Amino acid sequence: GENVEQHPSTLSVQEGDSAVIKCTYSDSASNYFPWYKQELGKRPQLIIDIRSNVGEKKDQRIAVTLNKTAKHFSLHITETQPEDSAVYFCAASDDQGAQKLVFGQGTRLTINP
Amino acid sequence: DVKVTQSSRYLVKRTGEKVFLECVQDMDHENMFWYRQDPGLGLRLIYFSYDVKMKEKGDIPEGYSVSREKKERFSLILESASTNQTSMYLCASSSTGTSRGEQFFGPGTRLTVL
Repeated sequence: GENVEQHPSTLSVQEGDSAVIKCTYSDSASNYFPWYKQELGKRPQLIIDIRSNVGEKKDQRIAVTLNKTAKHFSLHITETQPEDSAVYFCAASDDQGAQKLVFGQGTRLTINP
Repeated sequence: DVKVTQSSRYLVKRTGEKVFLECVQDMDHENMFWYRQDPGLGLRLIYFSYDVKMKEKGDIPEGYSVSREKKERFSLILESASTNQTSMYLCASSSTGTSRGEQFFGPGTRLTVL
């Protein structure tokens, strides 16, 4: 089955700097890659996703890149702000049937003022 | 706005008790999921369902069962709770329609088994 590895487990950056979180996956059949953000004490929420027919997707200060050949994808957050502090999860799915997701281990991002 | 609710935010049970966790979604979603969340392990899929009365095992089904008698409700059952089932349990739902793939999560139930 699919296995998703996420790095780093913790990341601390200065406000205004960029943050990058990386994930690798094992199943070449996976073609849907979402990122979820979980603020302290709250439920995970989708922030951006990408399907395998594109290599990059942007939404304001966040972007996701996908390299299908290398089986890795990354989340990029630019001009970080205190409200970006949260745990971020990557996931992968073969987008079939119920589109079940396999999640990475999570990255705790802290933005230092 | 999609709303996924779970029956309890906090639950304390004793070893050997039968535990029911309930999840309800109000958006007519076909798919529903149960995860447990543990620090450093991410979200791990226990069971999921793609239709009423249909269920499939996820990655860690041992010690758990599920029930989906109605489309909006998905229950997780711990037949005989054990201390290693102390965790945060998250329910989610998703559609096979236009927003397919995106999972909407409930607030979670923090279960402690003593």
